[in-house]
Amino acid sequence: DIQMTQSPSSLSASVGDRVTITCRASQSISRYLNWFQQIPGEAPKLLIYSASSLQTGVPSRFSGSGSGTDFTLSISSLQPEDFATYYCQQSFLIPRTFGQGTKLEIK
Amino acid sequence: QVQLQQSGPGLLRPSQTLSLTCVISGDSLSSSNAIWNWVRQSPSRGLEWLGRTYYRSRWYYDYAVSVKSRIVINPDTSKNQFSLQLNSVTPEDTAVYFCARDILLPFDHYYYMDVWGKGTTVTVSS
Repeated sequence: DIQMTQSPSSLSASVGDRVTITCRASQSISRYLNWFQQIPGEAPKLLIYSASSLQTGVPSRFSGSGSGTDFTLSISSLQPEDFATYYCQQSFLIPRTFGQGTKLEIK
Repeated sequence: QVQLQQSGPGLLRPSQTLSLTCVISGDSLSSSNAIWNWVRQSPSRGLEWLGRTYYRSRWYYDYAVSVKSRIVINPDTSKNQFSLQLNSVTPEDTAVYFCARDILLPFDHYYYMDVWGKGTTVTVSS
C-alpha cells in the first residue's frame, strides 16, 4: 500500500494568515493526489484534485502543488470557515489511502 | 446535483453483520464514468477505504485486504443503490461509514471522490 504522510499534524493560525500543509507519498504517484477538508460531524469535502486543480465552487484562496512524492496545500488568507481538518489522498493505486490529517486551529 | 443517501442500523453486537445502503440520485449506478466506494473513519484508523464497485460491461469489485474475507459490496440497478455488508463485526469495526462516488476526469484516466454521503455512525458493542 502507498503510505501518505502529512505534516504538521496540527497547526495554529490566525484569520488572514497564509498556511501550507505538506503531504508525502511513500512512492511516486505522479499527480494522482487529492485534498479534502473535513468539518467535525460532516463528510470530507473535495478541495483539490490532480494535485492542483480546484474543485468547482471552492474558493481561489485554496491552491495545491507538487508531483511525484511531495505535495502541498496552501490557503492564502485564512477565513473563519477554514478552521477544519485537512486530508490528502492518493488515487494512483488501489487501495486508496489517506494521510492522517492536519488539524487547523484558531490561534 | 448528485446526492448519496445512506441508511442502516447504528448499533450492532459482536459477530453480527453490518449492512448499509447508499441510494444514488442524480447519477446512474451503471455509469461508465463513475466508481462507487465505501470508506470508514475511526480515531484509531483514520480514513480507511474499504472497497468499491463499478460497471464496465460487467460488474467489477475491489476490496481492502484488511476486510477482504468479511466484506461484500452489492450493486442494485433496479433501485439505483449499492450496499455494504461486513460480516462478523468486532468493536474494531466501530466507525463512521461513508459511501462516495469516484468520478472520471474527462480526457484523462483520473478518478477522484467528488460526492460523499453524510455518514452513518456504527457502534459495535456487547
